[in-house]
Amino acid sequence: AQKVTQAQTEISVVEKEDVTLDCVYETRDTTYYLFWYKQPPSGELVFLIRRNSFDEQNEISGRYSWNFQKSTSSFNFTITASQVVDSAVYFCALSEDLMDSNYQLIWGAGTKLIIKP
Amino acid sequence: EPEVTQTPSHQVTQMGQEVILRCVPISNHLYFYWYRQILGQKVEFLVSFYNNEISEKSEIFDDQFSVERPDGSNFTLKIRSTKLEDSAMYFCASSDGLAAYEQYFGPGTRLTVT
Repeated sequence: AQKVTQAQTEISVVEKEDVTLDCVYETRDTTYYLFWYKQPPSGELVFLIRRNSFDEQNEISGRYSWNFQKSTSSFNFTITASQVVDSAVYFCALSEDLMDSNYQLIWGAGTKLIIKP
Repeated sequence: EPEVTQTPSHQVTQMGQEVILRCVPISNHLYFYWYRQILGQKVEFLVSFYNNEISEKSEIFDDQFSVERPDGSNFTLKIRSTKLEDSAMYFCASSDGLAAYEQYFGPGTRLTVT
């Protein structure tokens, strides 16, 4: 069965520290997609990154980086030199390559990240 | 840049009333979704819609819920007789035929049932 686990419920760090948010997933499929979304206090869901199961290259975008490891079924997200504006709830999500026109996202429980000034 | 829009942004209704949440997906998209997020909890899948029919629905999506694409632009979620536990943020999403897995989300409608 598909499942996404974000074991860290809440993380609190001081500004400028690096922080890593963990995501572990379970899927029966060989083709799947992994996502990270940010949900600021205003409530909207902001897309951060998508990764397909065939692309294990790590990705860096500014202060954000993602480490995808199929061997451990993990897709971790690191923020370098954190800023107060990074404070939000971060969700990891999974979508399988289903044949029935359904690409529903399976969501983790989210990690609330608090960056203190 | 095209975006998914949702109206209203906040809806307050009394228990037992019917509500319709509206979404306008991105115009050339083919797949449509509704998700729900109870305050402080994870986002949950409700229903997916493709080719004018439901392709998948979750256990949450019971007989009280229905979806419709009444014209070429709107995608609606109707809750027939609201319950207190329906209070949540409802997100609409859409994706195109080439990258169906890449869903674009609307800003959400906060539904409060009193």
